[in-house]
Parts: sequence; C-alpha cells; structure tokens
Amino acid sequence: RKEVEQDPGPFNVPEGATVAFNCTYSNSASQSFFWYRQDCRKEPKLLMSVYSSGNEDGRFTAQLNRASQYISLLIRDSKLSDSATYLCVVNTGAGNQFYFGTGTSLTVIP
Amino acid sequence: DTGVSQDPRHKITKRGQNVTFRCDPISEHNRLYWYRQTLGQGPEFLTYFQNEAQLEKSRLLSDRFSAERPKGSFSTLEIQRTEQGDSAMYLCASSSWGQGMEKLFFGSGTQLSVL
Repeated sequence: RKEVEQDPGPFNVPEGATVAFNCTYSNSASQSFFWYRQDCRKEPKLLMSVYSSGNEDGRFTAQLNRASQYISLLIRDSKLSDSATYLCVVNTGAGNQFYFGTGTSLTVIP
Repeated sequence: DTGVSQDPRHKITKRGQNVTFRCDPISEHNRLYWYRQTLGQGPEFLTYFQNEAQLEKSRLLSDRFSAERPKGSFSTLEIQRTEQGDSAMYLCASSSWGQGMEKLFFGSGTQLSVL
C-alpha cells in the first residue's frame, strides 16, 4: 500500500466552480501535512500546510481528518491560473519521511 | 533571490556517461534532500543530508548514484554509467529542521535525458 494516495484526475472544471481533492495516508503516526502546487515541468511549490483544526487561505481551504487519515483541499471560485497539479505531502516526523502523492491534475476551463 | 538553486537546468547525455548535478540550498537551511520525479508521478525520495551528514539513502538508489554535501552547504548528485531509465527530473529541496514545522522548499530541478 502506498504511503499517500490521491485520485490523479484529471479534474476539468469551469471558471468559478468549487473543486475538492482528497488524499489518504497510511501511517497513523504522521505528524504534518501539506499541499503543494506543481505547474507543468516546474518544481513543486508549497501551497499551504494543513492543521488539525483546518485552515483557510483566501479561496483555499485545507482540512485534516486524523481518524480517517485523509486530507482535503477545497478551491472556491476557481481561476484559470489554478490549473496545475496538486500534490499531497505527509511527514511522519521520523527522519526524512516526506511522502508525496502522485498528484491530482486540475484544469480550469474558461 | 535566496531560494534553492540547481544547476544545470537541463542535461542531455549518452548512455554510459557520468553526470553531476549541483544544488545550493537556502543558506540558513540545515537539511537538503534529493528527489527524482518522472512524468505523472510524485517526487520520489533519493537521499537527504543534515548539515554535512548523509542520514538516509533510498533503497531504490543504486550504487551508481552518489551524493555529497562536503561543507554542509551545497550538494552534488552524481550518476555514473547513466541508463535510459535514469531520465527524469532531479529535484533538490532544503528545509530548516528543528525550528517548528519542517517544510520543504524546492529548486527548479535538473531535467536529465539519457539517450
């Protein structure tokens, strides 16, 4: 079983739509959680950390459900510029252990 | 720009040749990671350093791969006797471990093509 699993998509949504991505992780001892954004042939860039109480940054909301071991990212009022791959990342806190999902591809359509 | 920098951005080589990539982390960061990424996949861990010490290597890392961080600053990743399967984006990331939540910051990567 993979450490982090994501639906690869693609998600094709119209501008202004709300879209949600989920990610599950296998290690219940995982301690920190992140969403990264990656544009085509570019490096991953930190979008937001995910906190236990949930957190919001503008149009983006991240939530963590430790009991079910999943993380979600909600994007409201999608913009064309949101088109990218969104990577779910989990850190168990032991040694190197950042685990990446395969990413979810989002295309926002005019 | 004080971000993570990688050199070169692109490398084309013939099978069997050796290649070396360089990474300069964010200056105050004590950890440096190397990842490999192929199309449609997330970054795959290769190895990481804390200061100059190489603390872990992936089991997937063959002995053709070697990495160094001699003075705890920049790092190099060398691939000997390259194979076509080595073609990938090689990403370097750095972090500040021990000061709150550890977060990775990536360089632009080196795209390797082995012909």
